[in-house]
Amino acid sequence: GENVEQHPSTLSVQEGDSAVIKCTYSDSASNYFPWYKQELGKRPQLIIDIRSNVGEKKDQRIAVTLNKTAKHFSLHITETQPEDSAVYFCAASIKTSYDKVIFGPGTSLSVIP
Amino acid sequence: DTGVSQNPRHKITKRGQNVTFRCDPISEHNRLYWYRQTLGQGPEFLTYFQNEAQLEKSRLLSDRFSAERPKGSFSTLEIQRTEQGDSAMYLCASSFRGTVGADTQYFGPGTRLTVL
Repeated sequence: GENVEQHPSTLSVQEGDSAVIKCTYSDSASNYFPWYKQELGKRPQLIIDIRSNVGEKKDQRIAVTLNKTAKHFSLHITETQPEDSAVYFCAASIKTSYDKVIFGPGTSLSVIP
Repeated sequence: DTGVSQNPRHKITKRGQNVTFRCDPISEHNRLYWYRQTLGQGPEFLTYFQNEAQLEKSRLLSDRFSAERPKGSFSTLEIQRTEQGDSAMYLCASSFRGTVGADTQYFGPGTRLTVL
């Protein structure tokens, strides 16, 4: 069946360094790729998303890149801050009749002051 | 607060009891999703609705689980004869399904279920 893989499962970086999280997907028809941030005890919140008609999207310190040929996409966070510490989930749309998304297992990011 | 809301926020029940959770989506959103999340995992799809129609139910979902969205607004998720393995966070999300591509989902705060 369809699935989304995510690596690494945990990531520690020094404050100010960059963090990169990578995801791969199996459905070649996937066309929507959101990223969510979930702080401990809180709801997942959308931080950025990308559609298959573009290869890269940026929003301040956050960027996402998409390689449709290889079926992978990545989240890049630059100049990390302690408040970036959270679990990050990638997701990919599944081209069934009704376009749902499947989530990856998550990456726990720790930014060390 | 105009976001997605869920009630109750926490539910503790004994094995074998039935429980029901409610989700109120963002008012103009026509799609509503239910997910289950366990510690260290991403949200796992359970079912979703477009307006009042239930479009899909996960094949992994037991027959003990049922969901409704009778008027296309709020939704309820019922679990009958709860088991300890049902203990998890149950998340609801809503979106507006337009005409272009998949839609952005906004999550509620979740209902944490503990089955003793």
